Amino acid sequence: DAEITQSPRHKITETGRQVTLACHQTWNHNNMFWYRQDLGHGLRLIHYSYGVHDTNKGEVSDGYSVSRSNTEDLPLTLESAASSQTSVYFCASNSKGISTDTQYFGPGTRLTVL
Amino acid sequence: AQRVTQPEKLLSVFKGAPVELKCNYSYSGSPELFWYVQYSRQRLQLLLRHISRESIKGFTADLNKGETSFHLKKPFAQEEDSAMYYCALTRGGKLIFGQGTELSVKP
Repeated sequence: DAEITQSPRHKITETGRQVTLACHQTWNHNNMFWYRQDLGHGLRLIHYSYGVHDTNKGEVSDGYSVSRSNTEDLPLTLESAASSQTSVYFCASNSKGISTDTQYFGPGTRLTVL
Repeated sequence: AQRVTQPEKLLSVFKGAPVELKCNYSYSGSPELFWYVQYSRQRLQLLLRHISRESIKGFTADLNKGETSFHLKKPFAQEEDSAMYYCALTRGGKLIFGQGTELSVKP
């Protein structure tokens, strides 16, 4: 069955380290998104991509980067992890050009930056 | 600026009581609104969208453009409805979420 997966599910790292969170979907969706979930803020968009080699900044993109080399994957990189980036990260995907299409979410990655 | 506001962080009701989770939005244009739900230890999933005018798990939501609201309602809450609920609108394919409301249904 088609699905969207994230790895790792839990990660503890230290301030200043580079961290990469993986997101992989098998629906052949063109659109992929990264959100962070924090109490009191809901989900906030970090970066998104509408297709291979396309990346765009979201609401809270500082300190994060993404790259899209194929349809299936959108890895999220924290260049130099900070304690403020401790959060739960969700990846999502949906079909190209259909704004009302459901976004399908991954299970999330809980990141702790010490 | 486009924004979604959910004024209640926590809503606690007893089983069988009516539920209304509030959602207000600001959007210049015709919004497309959604309710997403996250049950404990599960991923976020779509509950319903306003264009479908559907009822899912007994929940309904009506878009009120005059009041810029999209409140989620259910006449009789069940314990399995306990979850985190997010209202969201879409802009250019991206979702803008509210802060979320935790619904707790007590037996």
